Amino acid sequence: DARVTQTPRHKVTEMGQEVTMRCQPILGHNTVFWYRQTMMQGLELLAYFRNRAPLDDSGMPKDRFSAEMPDATLATLKIQPSEPRDSAVYFCASGNLPEGGVHEQYFGPGTRLTVT
Amino acid sequence: DAKTTQPPSMDCAEGRAANLPCNHSTISGNEYVYWYRQIHSQGPQYIIHGLKNNETNEMASLIITEDRKSSTLILPHATLRDTAVYYCIVRALNYGGATNKLIFGTGTLLAVQP
Repeated sequence: DARVTQTPRHKVTEMGQEVTMRCQPILGHNTVFWYRQTMMQGLELLAYFRNRAPLDDSGMPKDRFSAEMPDATLATLKIQPSEPRDSAVYFCASGNLPEGGVHEQYFGPGTRLTVT
Repeated sequence: DAKTTQPPSMDCAEGRAANLPCNHSTISGNEYVYWYRQIHSQGPQYIIHGLKNNETNEMASLIITEDRKSSTLILPHATLRDTAVYYCIVRALNYGGATNKLIFGTGTLLAVQP
C-alpha cells in the first residue's frame, strides 16, 4: 500500500533555529504539495511542485521558508530562522498530474512543529 | 474557485447512513466537487469527486443536484472510524497544470455515535 511518508513526525525547537522537514512522495507521482494546518488558519497550501519544478509558492513566507525537491523521491521544507508563529502541523501530499490536473491528493501523516 | 457552505457539525448513529450536505451555489460549469476527510491527528484523505453525475466508490456516494448548486456525500453505513471532519471543495482543473490548489474550508465534524 503506497503512502506518503514524512519525517520527523514531531519536532520541538527554539526560536531562531533552522528546521528541515522531509517528505517522500508516492513513487511515480509527479506533483508534491506542502500544506500547513493551524487551529486559527485551518489547512492552507504553502507550495507545490510538478516534475520537481516549483509551480506555486505564493502561500509561503519567502523570507524564512524555502521548499525544494532535490530528486523525485524527496521534497524538503525548510524554515530559517523559525519563529513561534510557525508552530503548526505541516503536511506533504502527492498526486499524479496529467495535463488535466490532479483529482486525488494523497497526504502524509504530517510533521508537528513546535517552536518555543 | 467557488465558495462552499457546510454545517459545522452533525451526528450519526453507527450503522446508519450519514448524509453530509454542501452548498456551492456559485459553482461554475467547469468546476468539480471534491470531498476529503480528516480523521483526528491524521492527514486529509481523498473520498470522492464528481462533475455532474452522481458518483459511487467503495467509500461513499456523491449526489449532485441537477443545477449543481448543492451536493450530498453519503456514507451508507457509518462506523465509529468515520468520525472525522469532512471537507467539501469546489475547484476547476486548469489544463496546463497551472493551478491544483485544494482550498479547505472549515468542514463538517461528523460524530458517529455508538
